[in-house]
Amino acid sequence: NAGVTQTPKFQVLKTGQSMTLQCAQDMNHEYMSWYRQDPGMGLRLIHYSVGAGITDQGEVPNGYNVSRSTTEDFPLRLLSAAPSQTSVYFCASSYLLGTEAFFGQGTRLTVV
Amino acid sequence: EDKVVQSPLSLVVHEGDTVTLNCSYEVTNFRSLLWYKQEKKAPTFLFMLTSSGIEKKSGRLSSILDKKELFSILNITATQTGDSAVYLCAVGDNAGNNRKLIWGLGTSLAVNP
Repeated sequence: NAGVTQTPKFQVLKTGQSMTLQCAQDMNHEYMSWYRQDPGMGLRLIHYSVGAGITDQGEVPNGYNVSRSTTEDFPLRLLSAAPSQTSVYFCASSYLLGTEAFFGQGTRLTVV
Repeated sequence: EDKVVQSPLSLVVHEGDTVTLNCSYEVTNFRSLLWYKQEKKAPTFLFMLTSSGIEKKSGRLSSILDKKELFSILNITATQTGDSAVYLCAVGDNAGNNRKLIWGLGTSLAVNP
């Protein structure tokens, strides 16, 4: 099983550019989320979704958009990249909130 | 404010030592507590705890939850260099419509040969 597939692994952007991080899961999980991980700050929730067509903001949503048109896919869009968005991003899915979450491999994003 | 606090922040031990990692929490509506191991990549799941006093065990790793005192411990016996990682604790919060996992900052464990 593929589990959670997240692309790309690495990305360098210039300030002001936009991009989409892709996330797909094949486990039929309802709950999907995006985190960023920064040194000393732990995992911080950006956006999450409890099912197709439903999204909500997490702890640090500014500068990011998400959509959930299907159960499988949950892309994260950076609208206008800023150096403060340099981070490692993880997509995760779980059957229910609070149960085992499966993580994608992560995207290391650098904004210059 | 909901929070999860892990201690110590970092730990250096020798192979064969036993370590205990701590996770305390304050959340509005507790659902579960989860432990993850993170090496230089994505976190991988270790345990999920929902009931007090019931030990979960996997090989040399074990964990237990105390819902009265609001904490959990993760024990690793006979540590090996492959146990070197950051260990993350997360608590599932079912408060109203704002359901989420609240993460601690992690404990960085280094096991020296």
